[in-house]
Amino acid sequence: AQTVTQSQPEMSVQEAETVTLSCTYDTSESDYYLFWYKQPPSRQMILVIRQEAYKQQNATENRFSVNFQKAAKSFSLKISDSQLGDAAMYFCAYRERNQGAQKLVFGQGTRLTINP
Amino acid sequence: DGGITQSPKYLFRKEGQNVTLSCEQNLNHDAMYWYRQDPGQGLRLIYYSQIVNDFQKGDIAEGYSVSREKKESFPLTVTSAQKNPTAFYLCASSQYAGRYNEKLFFGSGTQLSVL
Repeated sequence: AQTVTQSQPEMSVQEAETVTLSCTYDTSESDYYLFWYKQPPSRQMILVIRQEAYKQQNATENRFSVNFQKAAKSFSLKISDSQLGDAAMYFCAYRERNQGAQKLVFGQGTRLTINP
Repeated sequence: DGGITQSPKYLFRKEGQNVTLSCEQNLNHDAMYWYRQDPGQGLRLIYYSQIVNDFQKGDIAEGYSVSREKKESFPLTVTSAQKNPTAFYLCASSQYAGRYNEKLFFGSGTQLSVL
């Protein structure tokens, strides 16, 4: 079974600085999707960024970017110019490409604190 | 506004009692999902449904039941067989079950606690 591991239970960063959240995963599949979700205090899950494994180019969304290392099975999230609104739980998630449904496997999460 | 509505926001269960969590979507999505979130853990899939009157077990289906009689609704029943029901439950939907890059939309969740 696929597993997703986030080894940093908590991280903190000064406002306006850059922070990187780590994620590793284990799979025997070659084609899959990886995601970062944000869960603010409201507890609603918000998709931050998505990476398709067959694409070598790292995904970016404004201040959010990923470092996808397929051979190392690593998928880190970089947040640039951190803002107070970025404070949340961040979850890394995996999904096989050839599934008929959105069956995601989630990591344990990293709590990000932004210091003003 | 389109979205997913979960109710109630907080729910309390007595020992031996079945409780039902509601999930309604007006996005005209085909597929719907139930996830469970425990403290310090990520989400785990309980059940999912890709079409009306059909559903499949996820990774932790024991002690739960679902129905999908209408496209818009996917209620989850936590039965007395679920010995550790205290958790945060999230409902989600996606437009097409079979599309590879479909985005998941989440509701705002229900916190279930045991009295």
